[in-house]
Amino acid sequence: DAGITQSPRYKITETGRQVTLMCHQTWSHSYMFWYRQDLGHGLRLIYYSAAADITDKGEVPDGYVVSRSKTENFPLTLESATRSQTSVYFCASRGTNTDTQYFGPGTRLTVL
Amino acid sequence: AQKITQTQPGMFVQEKEAVTLDCTYDTSDPSYGLFWYKQPSSGEMIFLIYQGSYDQQNATEGRYSLNFQKARKSANLVISASQLGDSAMYFCAMSLSGSARQLTFGSGTQLTVLP
Repeated sequence: DAGITQSPRYKITETGRQVTLMCHQTWSHSYMFWYRQDLGHGLRLIYYSAAADITDKGEVPDGYVVSRSKTENFPLTLESATRSQTSVYFCASRGTNTDTQYFGPGTRLTVL
Repeated sequence: AQKITQTQPGMFVQEKEAVTLDCTYDTSDPSYGLFWYKQPSSGEMIFLIYQGSYDQQNATEGRYSLNFQKARKSANLVISASQLGDSAMYFCAMSLSGSARQLTFGSGTQLTVLP
């Protein structure tokens, strides 16, 4: 199906482990984004990418790494997970000629 | 700094009535976009409506309209004829300057539609 997907949808991990959250979109959108949403709050930008091999930090990048070797994929890696990274993570994308971002279903991550 | 403020943590509305969700923003950039997203209890973020800073007319999408008052820096969402399925969290967002036009979000308003 066309659209933007995230995997896994739910993940439980332990402090100190590396975790990678996947994001895939089929629209060939140039721009992709990672946000986190903490309980009772709006979304905050972690990283974004303007194209393959072009990434940049957002508001809360510490503890996260991204890559974008292909236009359609934008994985987010927590190199050494901490409890404060327990959150819901949303991936989003948009095309070049619009400001509107479309969101994936989210990944609920729990770090024990 | 660019900022979005939603001052209503929770709102109640009777089914079939209209409701206005408030949003104010702060930016010095002349070019920006304003958005509303809906997040039902299932958790997904659903795009509702967009207003560009240069758009002369208020945006409308079905039962949703955006009351854009540029001088007051407000972008309120109006939902007409509320339905039970409108119960959700609603987020106002603004696209920032720069090529990526990333979004900054408000803290949200929880809307409950009463039967």
